[in-house]
Amino acid sequence: EAQVTQNPRYLITVTGKKLTVTCSQNMNHEYMSWYRQDPGLGLRQIYYSMNVEVTDKGDVPEGYKVSRKEKRNFPLILESPSPNQTSLYFCASQRTGGGYGYTFGSGTRLTVV
Amino acid sequence: AQTVTQSQPEMSVQEAETVTLSCTYDTSESDYYLFWYKQPPSRQMILVIRQEAYKQQNATENRFSVNFQKAAKSFSLKISDSQLGDAAMYFCAYRSAGRNYGQNFVFGPGTRLSVLP
Repeated sequence: EAQVTQNPRYLITVTGKKLTVTCSQNMNHEYMSWYRQDPGLGLRQIYYSMNVEVTDKGDVPEGYKVSRKEKRNFPLILESPSPNQTSLYFCASQRTGGGYGYTFGSGTRLTVV
Repeated sequence: AQTVTQSQPEMSVQEAETVTLSCTYDTSESDYYLFWYKQPPSRQMILVIRQEAYKQQNATENRFSVNFQKAAKSFSLKISDSQLGDAAMYFCAYRSAGRNYGQNFVFGPGTRLSVLP
């Protein structure tokens, strides 16, 4: 089954404790992206990657890091989480060309206390 | 930069009735794609319908159809014969068709739809 696998589904952590949210897709998509969803703001892009070793900032990159060492994986790293990073996070991938939509992961609900 | 606006934060509809969700966008591009995504309580993002800007014909998927008005930059979603399972948050999204994909997807703030039995 074609899918984006995102883990964990829920995560509660303390301020300053480094964490990683994993994302993997099995569709050989070149383009991958991370979003955060907050009430009233919709989905805002954190980082995106157009291919292996090619990443760039989205609209809200502060406090986040990403890497793309393999085509299928695109982890999101929070080096020192803060309470304002409490949010719902989505990883997504898409085919380039043809106007295809995103395939989304199932989301990670992150709470930073 | 492109922006997407959904002016109705919340809407409700009676089961079996029809409801229309509004979306407007701002862009200087002539070639692009528009999408509606559904997010039920399970929070999974599900693609509902897709429209290509160069096609004048409005897209239709079963009970879901759009009214695409390119000149007005409007892209509304009509849900016919509403069902309880249609209750969800609905996001309108814009995707650039340019070769430099970059930040090519922009989402609206969402409309929460309730379906009343």
